[in-house]
Amino acid sequence: DTGVSQDPRHKITKRGQNVTFRCDPISEHNRLYWYRQTLGQGPEFLTYFQNEAQLEKSRLLSDRFSAERPKGSFSTLEIQRTEQGDSAMYLCASSAPRLAGLRGTQYFGPGTRLTVL
Amino acid sequence: GENVEQHPSTLSVQEGDSAVIKCTYSDSASNYFPWYKQELGKRPQLIIDIRSNVGEKKDQRIAVTLNKTAKHFSLHITETQPEDSAVYFCAAIHSNYQLIWGAGTKLIIKP
Repeated sequence: DTGVSQDPRHKITKRGQNVTFRCDPISEHNRLYWYRQTLGQGPEFLTYFQNEAQLEKSRLLSDRFSAERPKGSFSTLEIQRTEQGDSAMYLCASSAPRLAGLRGTQYFGPGTRLTVL
Repeated sequence: GENVEQHPSTLSVQEGDSAVIKCTYSDSASNYFPWYKQELGKRPQLIIDIRSNVGEKKDQRIAVTLNKTAKHFSLHITETQPEDSAVYFCAAIHSNYQLIWGAGTKLIIKP
C-alpha cells in the first residue's frame, strides 16, 4: 500500500495517560498535516510540517500536544495527560505541492481513533 | 482568515435524481477547492477538485463549478446511486496550503 498509513488504528486509554500516534506519509510528499475530527464535524487543523520543519500550529494544539517529524518522513503526535475531551479521530494527511500534477492535494490516512476513559 | 460555509447540512434525494451542495468562501486569495467524500468511520477521500483559473470541471457523474466573483463553488452529482450516500466536505486552500473545511453535508440517497 503506497498511501498514507497511521498506527495504531484504535487506542483506548485512561484519563491522565500519555499516548503517541504515528503517521507515515506517501514517500515523495514533503508536507504532512495532522487533523482532529469528532463525530459529525469536519476535520480540524492541528499542525503541519514541510519536511522536518513545523510551520504552523493551530490554537487548538494545547501544550499537552506535541508533534514531531524528525527526519522529514514519518511524524508522531503525542498527547500528554489525556482528557476525555481528547477523544476523537486523529487524521494525518500528506501532500506534495511541488510535484507536477499533484497540485498540493492532501491525501488522508485511515486515522487513529482515540477513546479516553 | 479564510472561512468556508457549506449548505445544506443534510440533503435527501431520490435515487437517480441529482444532488447539489453549495459552499462559499471569504478569502479571494484562495485558489484551490477540493471536495472530499467521507463514509462512516473511514478517511476523507478526494472526489474532485478545481483551481481558481477554471470555472467548471466534470468527472463522470460528478461536476464542480466555481464562481470567483461571488466566491462560491458547488458540487453536482447526477444520477445518484446508493453508494453516493456519505458526508461530503468542501474545502478551500490558501497559499500556505492549509485546508479550511466546510461543516459537511450528509447526503442520503433514498431507494
